[in-house]
Amino acid sequence: EVQVVESGGDLVQPGGSLRLSCAASGFTFSNYWMSWVRQAPGKGLEWVANIGEAGNAQNYGDSVKGRFTISRDNAKNFMYLQMDSLRVEDTAVYYCGRVVGGYDVIAYWGQGTLVTVSS
Amino acid sequence: AIQLTQSPSSLSASVGDTVTITCRASQGLGNVLAWYQQKPGKAPKLLIYDASRLQSGVPSRFSGSGFGTDFTLTISSLQPEDFASYYCQYSRSFGQGTKLEIK
Repeated sequence: EVQVVESGGDLVQPGGSLRLSCAASGFTFSNYWMSWVRQAPGKGLEWVANIGEAGNAQNYGDSVKGRFTISRDNAKNFMYLQMDSLRVEDTAVYYCGRVVGGYDVIAYWGQGTLVTVSS
Repeated sequence: AIQLTQSPSSLSASVGDTVTITCRASQGLGNVLAWYQQKPGKAPKLLIYDASRLQSGVPSRFSGSGFGTDFTLTISSLQPEDFASYYCQYSRSFGQGTKLEIK
């Protein structure tokens, strides 16, 4: 069974840093692009970043570019999101997902992890 | 960046009704559009991809159509578990969502 499970969400002060993890199982992790999508409280979905199968291709949404870094460890079946210079507006539930096809369609989602940025 | 505009933003319907949600793109997408369902406190669930292909395990009362800039998600014979929010997606862009509520 395909599973992705996020962890690492926490309360952090503005300007602080946090690293989210996404543990994958039930599929050959190194064969798939992976993505992060977030959802602010009461708001819609916002695409954050994705990473290619080998980890040498990354893309970021405009609102996080230069502050967030996506990475993966194919030996451990983990994906990460390093979040620096956090802002209040980064407060959201962060979902990781396995991409299918070529257009960031996410067929398998984790349950999400909550990041709260507040003083 | 491509903009996706969903309509309506909210919708009230009854069990057994048929409803249609529209997603309009700011430029042509071919048939590359996905639809998701999201229930409160839960992760989104993929319903439709490539505009009209039903994801495995999704009931056949869900259907998608469209090409280019105009797409629709139709839910026939609404069931109680269908009351949720729905989002369209093209690549890194999501629509703003449509909340389907019980009348």
